[in-house]
Amino acid sequence: QVQLQQSGPGLMKPSQTLSLTCAISGDSVSSNSVAWTWIRQSPSRGLEWLGRTYYRSKWYSDYAVSVKSRIIINPDTSKNQFSLQLNSVTPEDTAVYYCAREYSSFFDPWGQGTLVTVSS
Amino acid sequence: QAVLTQPSSLSASPGASASLTCTLRSGIDVGAYMIYWYQQKPGSPPQYLLRYKSDSDKQQGSGVPSRFSGSKDASANAGILLISGLQSEDEADYYCMIWHSSAYVVFGGGTKLTVL
Repeated sequence: QVQLQQSGPGLMKPSQTLSLTCAISGDSVSSNSVAWTWIRQSPSRGLEWLGRTYYRSKWYSDYAVSVKSRIIINPDTSKNQFSLQLNSVTPEDTAVYYCAREYSSFFDPWGQGTLVTVSS
Repeated sequence: QAVLTQPSSLSASPGASASLTCTLRSGIDVGAYMIYWYQQKPGSPPQYLLRYKSDSDKQQGSGVPSRFSGSKDASANAGILLISGLQSEDEADYYCMIWHSSAYVVFGGGTKLTVL
């Protein structure tokens, strides 16, 4: 049974860098048949796919156009986890952030979610 | 205009059926897309329910009851999630999703289903 456990701070100030980690159990971040994804949810923007990282003989990352200039999603093979880094946050980045496994083009399972609030 | 449009709310009675629609923007042909459906209950992440492209290309999520099913209405350019034999535990938000060339993944705005 695959489980994802998120960690990271919940309160940030504008212009700071958001950093979240998603620890994987029951699967490998280096699996060549899945992708590891970050999705956020807010009342104003709904569910928003942010990006993914995946391994297919080498590492790849894809990012949503809306955050492409500010986002990095990295795997950490030594800890079997992956991370989200979002630079220069603003109050519009306030949301619940989820990590998820993309398997056969659907997302399952999801992490428990982390509410990130950006406020001065 | 949003890529995927869902009614914001829907109410139905226990034991009845509910049909949740996901309308694709004009110019995006529902027939070409696999529609994914997720259920989200308060305080929890979304959970994958099923996907549907056609009667020969569909998949039920693991452990998802057969009273949840997918279909399409080509005339309305919409995907449909049908829930039969509604139970109180089905009260939740439901989201549709597609993979679209413009943005990788697109989610609908969600429908809040009330069972009363």
